[in-house]
Amino acid sequence: RKEVEQDPGPFNVPEGATVAFNCTYSNSASQSFFWYRQDCRKEPKLLMSVYSSGNEDGRFTAQLNRASQYISLLIRDSKLSDSATYLCAVYVSGTYKYIFGTGTRLKVLA
Amino acid sequence: EAGVTQFPSHSVIEKGQTVTLRCDPISGHDNLYWYRRVMGKEIKFLLHFVKESKQDESGMPNNRFLAERTGGTYSTLKVQPAELEDSGVYFCASSPGDRGRFTYEQYFGPGTRLTVT
Repeated sequence: RKEVEQDPGPFNVPEGATVAFNCTYSNSASQSFFWYRQDCRKEPKLLMSVYSSGNEDGRFTAQLNRASQYISLLIRDSKLSDSATYLCAVYVSGTYKYIFGTGTRLKVLA
Repeated sequence: EAGVTQFPSHSVIEKGQTVTLRCDPISGHDNLYWYRRVMGKEIKFLLHFVKESKQDESGMPNNRFLAERTGGTYSTLKVQPAELEDSGVYFCASSPGDRGRFTYEQYFGPGTRLTVT
């Protein structure tokens, strides 16, 4: 089993829709979690950090479920510009490294 | 504030040749990381510097890879000799030192796309 797992998608949603992705992790000692957005052939860009139960920033909400060991990313009122790959990164306690998932691809359709 | 920069953006070399990748972190960031993404796979950690010291090189694939960070500023990653399986995108990231939880927020450069033929 991979340490961090994501559904690769693609998730095809119409503009204005609400979409949610999950990311499961296997190390119960993990403390910090991050969502990155990656456009094709570009670098991952930090979208949200999750240190406790959750975080909200405009149309984006990230939630952490420690009991079930997953984090989620909810995007409301999807825009065409939200089309990208969303990467989940789990910070490994005791080190400074991230373990990444393979990413979930989102396509927002006009 | 300038972001993380990497050079070159692309490199195509033949098997057996040497390539050196460079990363300039965000100014003032003590922590510098190298990651690699092989086609179809997830981004994987290679190593971590704190200033000029290697803190964790557990992800380095083998001794053909050598990373340095002279003076705690920019870093280089040398692959010598390159093999076909070294092809991929090499990302550098940096994060601030000792800023509580913000220490863990890593900012990535645009990557170097390496193709070994």
